[in-house]
Amino acid sequence: QVQLQESGPGLVKPSETLSLTCTVSGYSVSSDAYYWTWIRQPPGKGLEWIGYIYHSGITNYNPSLKSRVTISVDTSKNHFSLKLSSVTAADTAIYYCARRGRYCSGGNCYTNWFDPWGQGTLVTVSS
Amino acid sequence: QPVLTQPPSASASLGASVTLTCTLSSGYSDYKVDWYQQRPGKGPRFVMRVGTGGIVGSKGDGIPDRFSVLGSGLNRYLTIKNIQEEDESDYHCGADHGGGSNFVVVFGGGTKLTVL
Repeated sequence: QVQLQESGPGLVKPSETLSLTCTVSGYSVSSDAYYWTWIRQPPGKGLEWIGYIYHSGITNYNPSLKSRVTISVDTSKNHFSLKLSSVTAADTAIYYCARRGRYCSGGNCYTNWFDPWGQGTLVTVSS
Repeated sequence: QPVLTQPPSASASLGASVTLTCTLSSGYSDYKVDWYQQRPGKGPRFVMRVGTGGIVGSKGDGIPDRFSVLGSGLNRYLTIKNIQEEDESDYHCGADHGGGSNFVVVFGGGTKLTVL
């Protein structure tokens, strides 16, 4: 059974860098079949896609966060990580990691849904 | 990119049926939408994907037959029949837009379903 678990500091000061890790068990992050994704949810609000990484290191980020986001993968530890720089109170949220299926057909590649998700970790930005 | 609109709340009595709606903004009627269930204090869980032809692919693991989807025009519907207490959750819809470096995933604001 595939499981994802987020970890990292629950409190980050304004202007500093938020760093989280998603540890994957029951499946290899080196698989060709999946993207590894970060999504966040501010308290009482909807979901916001942050970005994804492929095992090769290819990334794609939400344009609204692109200048501050870095997602990396460590295949030896079977985990992937998120760094978000210059945080403000607006970055306070529950951060989720999730796996997303990828398949290719006729020379094009497509995405499936996010499944499974981690349980999430609350990160508060405050001095 | 599309905007996904969901009513903030819905309610239904135990054993009744309810239909949740996710509405795509104009011009995106051919888009597929993914539905996710989020129980209180938990991470979201995939329910199923829906296009104008109905379900795309398979349901998420453990999603009961009481859950079904339908797509029509700009609307993507999730219907739950014989509602149970464990169905009380937030329901989110999401969709992909663009490709390559312009790829983005957008979500609706979520609907909180209360079981009466």
